[in-house]
Amino acid sequence: QVQLVESGGGVVQPGRSLRLSCAASGFTFRSYAMHWVRQAPGKGLEWVAVIWYDGTDKFYADSVKGRFLISRDNSKNTLYLQMNSLRAEDTAIYYCARDLRFLEWSPLGFWGQGTLVTVSS
Amino acid sequence: DIQMTQSPSTLSASVGDRVTITCRASQSISGWLAWYQQKPGKAPKLLIYKASILESGVPSRFSGSGSGTEFTLTISSLQPDDFATYYCQQYNNYSWTFGQGTKVEIK
Repeated sequence: QVQLVESGGGVVQPGRSLRLSCAASGFTFRSYAMHWVRQAPGKGLEWVAVIWYDGTDKFYADSVKGRFLISRDNSKNTLYLQMNSLRAEDTAIYYCARDLRFLEWSPLGFWGQGTLVTVSS
Repeated sequence: DIQMTQSPSTLSASVGDRVTITCRASQSISGWLAWYQQKPGKAPKLLIYKASILESGVPSRFSGSGSGTEFTLTISSLQPDDFATYYCQQYNNYSWTFGQGTKVEIK
């Protein structure tokens, strides 16, 4: 079965960096686009970034563009989110998620359990 | 950017009620609309995609409709397990945006 396990969250000071990882299993990782979605405490969902199955294309929300970098290592079945110049408003649970379908325009069909990032001095 | 607006923000209903949630896009997204259910402390779960296709394993009391800019999620007979927060999401043309959510509460 599809499993997505995020890690790397924690408490970090404003202006510092943090890298999140998402370990994937139970499917052919290299065949699917992957996303990061975040949820601030008590708030709604915010899409953050997507990376194509082969890493050739990446798209970002305006709120993180220029500060966050999404990447993947298909040999390690792992998705990453490098977060730089962190701000208090980046405090959230970060979920990784997989496209529902292979090579088909589709929604987020599978989600990890999330990892909490707290930006605070 | 495409904005998604859900209404209502909160909905109080009883078991057995028919419930409808509306999602409006700031521009046409054709049928590229999904609905998710989220319970406290859990990841979202996909319910419906392409506006009206029920994801595998989702009860048939859930249904979706709409196209262009107006979409609805309907729960035909609310069950105890359905009290949760629901989000719409557009995934049109290299753009992804969630609505602000609708919390379905027990009346």
